[in-house]
Amino acid sequence: SQKIEQNSEALNIQEGKTATLTCNYTNYSPAYLQWYRQDPGRGPVFLLLIRENEKEKRKERLKVTFDTTLKQSLFHITASQPADSATYLCALDIHSFGNEKLTFGTGTRLTIIP
Amino acid sequence: EPEVTQTPSHQVTQMGQEVILRCVPISNHLYFYWYRQILGQKVEFLVSFYNNEISEKSEIFDDQFSVERPDGSNFTLKIRSTKLEDSAMYFCASRTGFQETQYFGPGTRLLVL
Repeated sequence: SQKIEQNSEALNIQEGKTATLTCNYTNYSPAYLQWYRQDPGRGPVFLLLIRENEKEKRKERLKVTFDTTLKQSLFHITASQPADSATYLCALDIHSFGNEKLTFGTGTRLTIIP
Repeated sequence: EPEVTQTPSHQVTQMGQEVILRCVPISNHLYFYWYRQILGQKVEFLVSFYNNEISEKSEIFDDQFSVERPDGSNFTLKIRSTKLEDSAMYFCASRTGFQETQYFGPGTRLLVL
């Protein structure tokens, strides 16, 4: 079965620096990969989706890359702010009989230190 | 901006009781999902629903679970006889079509005593 690993359980970054989170997966490559933000006691909030034929996607201070050779995605937050503190989830689509379901990593808890 | 909504936000129940969790997906979405997240663990897929029937279900989704779209707007998850290990956050999600983003609701926190 598909296995997803996010590089660290927790990451502390100084405000203003770039935070880089890693998502590695095994087995077959997904058609797309998504990053979500989750605050305590809340549902995942969609941030970015990147497809297998895309190398990079940007949205404001967020950037995601997708390397299907390395089976890895990197998620960057530039000019980080304390409000960016949250858990960030990587999620892959799993195709099954034409249906799609998401398999999530365990998440990286990011803390931006003022 | 359209959102997935869920009710109730919290539910406390006794073991063996039935619970129904409710979701209103985004109106033009066609695919519907339930996921759950046990405290401190990752989000896990339970079931997907399309064209008024279950598309796929996980091994967690046993005979005690059922889903329904009773009126074209609501999407419900029923747990017939709750167990202690059903305590978790339950998230509803929906999407428009193939390879599109799944949008999640805020969740229902279920506590089984």
